[in-house]
Amino acid sequence: SQQGEEDPQALSIQEGENATMNCSYKTSINNLQWYRQNSGRGLVHLILIRSNEREKHSGRLRVTLDTSKKSSSLLITASRAADTASYFCATVPNRDDKIIFGKGTRLHILP
Amino acid sequence: KAGVTQTPRYLIKTRGQQVTLSCSPISGHRSVSWYQQTPGQGLQFLFEYFSETQRNKGNFPGRFSGRQFSNSRSEMNVSTLELGDSALYLCASSQGAASGRENEQFFGPGTRLTVL
Repeated sequence: SQQGEEDPQALSIQEGENATMNCSYKTSINNLQWYRQNSGRGLVHLILIRSNEREKHSGRLRVTLDTSKKSSSLLITASRAADTASYFCATVPNRDDKIIFGKGTRLHILP
Repeated sequence: KAGVTQTPRYLIKTRGQQVTLSCSPISGHRSVSWYQQTPGQGLQFLFEYFSETQRNKGNFPGRFSGRQFSNSRSEMNVSTLELGDSALYLCASSQGAASGRENEQFFGPGTRLTVL
């Protein structure tokens, strides 16, 4: 069964606006990661947040983690056309080495 | 450092045939994972190899198998292909630390398999 579920499934925003994507998961985790995938290509690692961290920044990306609600959010500020892609959250459950991916959010930045 | 490479990039097979896909990880990475990506099921974990041993396995039938060589290169094999096996097959490598599990994965571009 899917561990992570992203919300929304698809999102279209104007260039320059902020984009927020959410991820919910079911079991306790060691860490949570966000990846980006451009159409039909491999995934690119964006950011990793550990279970004992609440917020992390990387450039225009901001990730939050709420372990009590088993949820995470990815915020992309000042979006650009190049941000058009699918975004996946991936969880590493405790005592388990597997990384489990959600189904992703398709983000489309409108010019 | 060169990235993860996968060959071939595109493949067309017919039902009943078998296929072998290859993945070369980033130099120094000892863990290789394989994923199947389809529009309906998303990214599904197939298996992970670490130092030539299968360390984890997803919920796929025995037609899907893999192996890892001493140089960390990996192959996956699908026998008796079915139409539903059409997918993008992604390989990812990581350092594969035994602890900590900060398992950042570096993905290859994928192999697009079409089964007719």
